[in-house]
Amino acid sequence: EVQLVESGGGLVQPGGSLRLSCAASGFTFSNYWMSWVRQAPGKGLEWVANIRQDGSQKYYVGSVKGRCTISRDNAKNSVYLQMNSLRADDTAVYYCAREGYNFGNFDQWGQGTLVTVSS
Amino acid sequence: QSVLTQPPSVSAAPGQKVTVSCSGTSSNIGNNYISWYQHLPGTAPKLLIYENNKRPSGIPDRFSGSKSGTSGTLGITGLQTGDEADYYCGTWDSSLSAGVFGGGTKLTVL
Repeated sequence: EVQLVESGGGLVQPGGSLRLSCAASGFTFSNYWMSWVRQAPGKGLEWVANIRQDGSQKYYVGSVKGRCTISRDNAKNSVYLQMNSLRADDTAVYYCAREGYNFGNFDQWGQGTLVTVSS
Repeated sequence: QSVLTQPPSVSAAPGQKVTVSCSGTSSNIGNNYISWYQHLPGTAPKLLIYENNKRPSGIPDRFSGSKSGTSGTLGITGLQTGDEADYYCGTWDSSLSAGVFGGGTKLTVL
């Protein structure tokens, strides 16, 4: 059974940093692009970033470029999102998602981890 | 403001059919596959449709997808109260080099 389990969310002050983790199991992790998708309170889904199987390519949504870094460790079957200079509008549930059938398609999702940016 | 445009809400009676539209441009829907997702609050989103019109294993054939030009449509027949959820379209935008979603459509089964 495919499982994606996020962790690392919590309350952080504006300007602070947080590192999210996603532990994958039940499939060959190194064969897939992986993404982070978020949902702010009362808002829709927003794609945040993705990373190629070997980590050599990464893409980001404009609002997080320069502030967030996606990375992965295939030996640990994990993908990470380092978030710096956090702002109130980064407050959201962050989902880890596997890119399955094609680019920008997400066939497996985690349950999400909540990030709250507030003083 | 979402890159893809969906109606905020749709509604229909149990047993009836409903469609949800998703409009984009040539840089996203026009040249890439559409996917559709069902999202219930507090749960993980679920993939319903991929590559415009294909259903993953386990998704009933009450759910269908289509694409024409720069727009896509999700269809749901035989509506059930359990179908009440938010539905999102998504794809890749080749100009932005980014994943994009619609703003979501809330389905109410009256």
